[in-house]
Amino acid sequence: GAGVSQSPSNKVTEKGKDVELRCDPISGHTALYWYRQSLGQGLEFLIYFQGNSAPDKSGLPSDRFSAERTGGSVSTLTIQRTQQEDSAVYLCASTRSLGETQYFGPGTRLLVL
Amino acid sequence: GQQVMQIPQYQHVQEGEDFTTYCNSSTTLSNIQWYKQRPGGHPVFLIQLVKSGEVKKQKRLTFQFGEAKKNSSLHITATQTTDVGTYFCAGQSFRGAQKLVFGQGTRLTINP
Repeated sequence: GAGVSQSPSNKVTEKGKDVELRCDPISGHTALYWYRQSLGQGLEFLIYFQGNSAPDKSGLPSDRFSAERTGGSVSTLTIQRTQQEDSAVYLCASTRSLGETQYFGPGTRLLVL
Repeated sequence: GQQVMQIPQYQHVQEGEDFTTYCNSSTTLSNIQWYKQRPGGHPVFLIQLVKSGEVKKQKRLTFQFGEAKKNSSLHITATQTTDVGTYFCAGQSFRGAQKLVFGQGTRLTINP
């Protein structure tokens, strides 16, 4: 498809388990961003990639969060030892280049029980 | 660091009334973007403003960028139920800056 895709669309997990969220950006987009959105709240920046490198990891809430991007395309966001406060919608966005219009994926709704 | 504040946080109007949301940055911006997020959906790009004092219109939506490039507004004339959603502004501190800084959004609900 032409848009940003994310999987899974919904994830329910138990506290303490690890989860992996996937983002497929628009083909040719060099920059990729991860955000977290809690219910009724704004967008919390987590991390961005330019190509495969992540120059700015300042938004990652704790060392339980990590992300990688391979081949300048797909990115995965991993949350280890999930906690209930990790429950949120995780949004991915891609842009042709840094700072341009962001095209968002549908998000992954994560629920930690 | 750069902060972008948006007010009001919530706004409820009767259908047909006007609506305005305001965005203020702690620093001068290179440009500002506006996004709309429908309930249960993801943010969708609406427009980008670049020039000082710029005004752009999209049908019933009017976007303004302040002269000092530190504030912006979105005004909707004669709201319709399809306007329901959360409107976010997002500022870029300089051209080529790595990321956008999003405001907290204004959630618009409409009484039909």
